[in-house]
Amino acid sequence: QVQLVQSGAEVKKPGASVKVSCKASGYTFTSYYMHWVRQAPGQGLEWMGIINPSGGSTSYAQKFQGRVTMTRDTSTSTVYMELSSLRSEDTAVYYCAMTGELGYWGQGTLVTVSS
Amino acid sequence: DIQMTQSPSSLSASVGDRVTITCRASQGISNYLAWYQQKPGKVPKLLIYAASTLQSGVPSRFSGSGSGTDFTLTISSLQPEDVATYYCQKYNSAPYSFGQGTKLEIK
Repeated sequence: QVQLVQSGAEVKKPGASVKVSCKASGYTFTSYYMHWVRQAPGQGLEWMGIINPSGGSTSYAQKFQGRVTMTRDTSTSTVYMELSSLRSEDTAVYYCAMTGELGYWGQGTLVTVSS
Repeated sequence: DIQMTQSPSSLSASVGDRVTITCRASQGISNYLAWYQQKPGKVPKLLIYAASTLQSGVPSRFSGSGSGTDFTLTISSLQPEDVATYYCQKYNSAPYSFGQGTKLEIK
């Protein structure tokens, strides 16, 4: 069965970077695009961007352009999301997900940004 | 970019009621729309994709309709376990925006 397993919770200081991983299993890794979505405490879902695991091409939400980098490692079936220049407003649960007609989500990774 | 607007933002209804949530796209997206249910502290769960196709295992009291710019999610007979926040998402092209969510409570 499809599984998306994310890395553990992180605590970062303002200005730092965080890199969250998402290891996929149960399907052909290069067959489906992967999205990253975040959810701040008490807030809604916010789409951050998408990566094509086959060729590595990406598309980011304008809000995160210049601060987010999504990469993949086909040898380990893992996608990564790195967010830089963190500020307190980036405190959120970050999800990897195969959305649209697939509906598979990782368990979420809490990133806390605090001095 | 296409904006997704849900209404209402919150809703209180009684068990057994018919409940309707709407989602409007600022431009046409054909039927590339999904609905998610999210309970507190849980991962979003796909309910409906392609505007009206029920995901496997989702109770038949949930249904979706619409195409182009206007979409609806209907719960035919509200159950206590349906208390959650519901989100629509477009997936025709980037950015794959979500609606702001509709919080559903039991009266």
